[in-house]
Amino acid sequence: EAGVAQSPRYKIIEKRQSVAFWCNPISGHATLYWYQQILGQGPKLLIQFQNNGVVDDSQLPKDRFSAERLKGVDSTLKIQPAKLEDSAVYLCASSLAGGDDYEQYFGPGTRLTVT
Amino acid sequence: LAKTTQPISMDSYEGQEVNITCSHNNIATNDYITWYQQFPSQGPRFIIQGYKTKVTNEVASLFIPADRKSSTLSLPRVSLSDTAVYYCLVAQWGYSSASKIIFGSGTRLSIRP
Repeated sequence: EAGVAQSPRYKIIEKRQSVAFWCNPISGHATLYWYQQILGQGPKLLIQFQNNGVVDDSQLPKDRFSAERLKGVDSTLKIQPAKLEDSAVYLCASSLAGGDDYEQYFGPGTRLTVT
Repeated sequence: LAKTTQPISMDSYEGQEVNITCSHNNIATNDYITWYQQFPSQGPRFIIQGYKTKVTNEVASLFIPADRKSSTLSLPRVSLSDTAVYYCLVAQWGYSSASKIIFGSGTRLSIRP
């Protein structure tokens, strides 16, 4: 079974620039999550999709972050403009729906460095 | 939202049983307790989940007392490859609703020969 794919793996940008991350979940997984993991901390949930609808974006900084999941499959997370404190690993995860969401499958993450 | 508290780090030796405790005093009725393992430069990997009492799978056991304000992950006979960060989280898993996932800060487990 193919895992969760993410790209790029690494990205370095200057502050105030924009950046986008892409995620392809496991086939058939209805739920998709984006997390931000700052060095030395646990992952922080940014947004949760159920199919192509948002069910939780309460911790997404909406003034600069946006995410979409077209056709209920791939997803993109965008930051515009980036700040120094956005330097982190951005993890995408997917899971089955219907109460089996607890077993999330994570991708390798995108390491973002903002200079 | 329930917040979790874990020890920052733990050390043990190969072949020993390791118990990592997580505190979640404000856990809600609909919250489940889940543990993940993370190696450097990788995403977290699911270990085990429970709601109350004891759950066991092929890699670990999870003990949850009746008040559910804490939980203990038990790793039997650890090996060097168990060196990783272990996260406790509480969440409300369900269909078409927010899972309200809160990861803890993690416990860095180091296993020595």
